[in-house]
Order: sequence, then structure tokens, then C-alpha cells
Amino acid sequence: DAGVIQSPRHEVTEMGQEVTLRCKPISGHNSLFWYRQTMMRGLELLIYFNNNVPIDDSGMPEDRFSAKMPNASFSTLKIQPSEPRDSAVYFCASSLKPRTGGRTDTQYFGPGTRLTVL
Amino acid sequence: AQSVTQLDSHVSVSEGTPVLLRCNYSSSYSPSLFWYVQHPNKGLQLLLKYTSAATLVKGINGFEAEFKKSETSFHLTKPSAHMSDAAEYFCVVSDQGSNTGKLIFGQGTTLQVKP
Repeated sequence: DAGVIQSPRHEVTEMGQEVTLRCKPISGHNSLFWYRQTMMRGLELLIYFNNNVPIDDSGMPEDRFSAKMPNASFSTLKIQPSEPRDSAVYFCASSLKPRTGGRTDTQYFGPGTRLTVL
Repeated sequence: AQSVTQLDSHVSVSEGTPVLLRCNYSSSYSPSLFWYVQHPNKGLQLLLKYTSAATLVKGINGFEAEFKKSETSFHLTKPSAHMSDAAEYFCVVSDQGSNTGKLIFGQGTTLQVKP
């Protein structure tokens, strides 16, 4: 099992540029989460997909952020235009949510993308 | 609403001595609780989880945690610290109320292990 795969691992860009972060969840998982980690705010959930459908995007900071999940094996998080305050480590996580409710299963995290906006 | 509080932002121990990282939770439901570890410049790795089975949960690398409902605690322990245990540790509760799978993270405890 390759685990959750994220790319790129590091991204340095200039303010105003578009940034796209990519995630491949663990095969068979039906839930996908995007998080942002900063020193000031810790880990924040940005958006959550279940069966490729966005369920909760209340954590998305503003309209500059958008996320898609076109199929079960791929998701993107896009920032356009990027700003220096977007500099953070962005994590993708996946899990297998039971179809009929019940306990939430474990989330498995990718290695993260370290984004620096100059 | 669920919440989790890690009582120490920084813990320092000597190699070979016991580790105790404290966590208290608040939940209206029977919670699922997790401990994750994050080594520098790495992603989060699951150490262990509690999901209403045995209250003493054993995880990887010799860590364990005990769920105490009466104290609303889920402290992480290890009998003997190793240098490789130096990392950031997160106590996490699952938001069972909304059944979304959303995790609520504590602020983290940095574990320093001195030789």
C-alpha cells in the first residue's frame, strides 16, 4: 500500500500566482480531507469529501481557495491568486467511512506539501 | 460539541525515562479518540486509537493510552523514552455527532528527549 500520495512536496511561488496541490488517496477509501498546518493556527480542516462529493467546506478560508475531486483516486486544492499568508503545510488525508454509519475510521495522512508564497 | 485539550505544550524527558503526554476531551457522545505523531518535516502517523473496546489501548513503538471516562482523559504513556520519540504529538477526537468523520485536533505537545 503506497499510502496517501501528495505532490508536489515543496512549492515556492510568487504572490498572485496560481497554485495547485494534488492528492491521491489510499485505494478503496471513500473519504478525503484537506488540512492546513501553520504555527499560529495548528491543524485546520479545509474541506471534506465523501464519495467524491464535497460535504463540508466551511474551513475553506475564502474564495481564492477551491477543491475538486473528479474521481475516487484524485483530488486537487487550488489557490488563485496566492498570497504570502497562504504559506503553510497542506495535508491530504483519506479514510473509509462506513456506508451505514457507525464509527469513523482512521484518517491516514499524506506527507504534506510545504507551500511558500513570496 | 467535541473538543480536546492537551495540557502541556512542551514535555522534556531524559532517554530511558517514562513519557506522559496528557489529554482531556469533551464530548457529548461516546468518542473515538486518537493519538497521532508528527516527526519534523513529516506527515502525521497514527500511534493508536480508541473506539469503545478495551480502555487500555496499545499502539506502535511501545506507546499506550488509557481511556478514562470518569476523568474525560486519554493520556499517552511510554515506559522508556527513546531519542527517536522526539516529535510533536496530537490528541484527536472524532466528531461523532455530525457523523462526518471530521477530526478535532489538540494543539499538540512537543516531546523533547535528552540523552
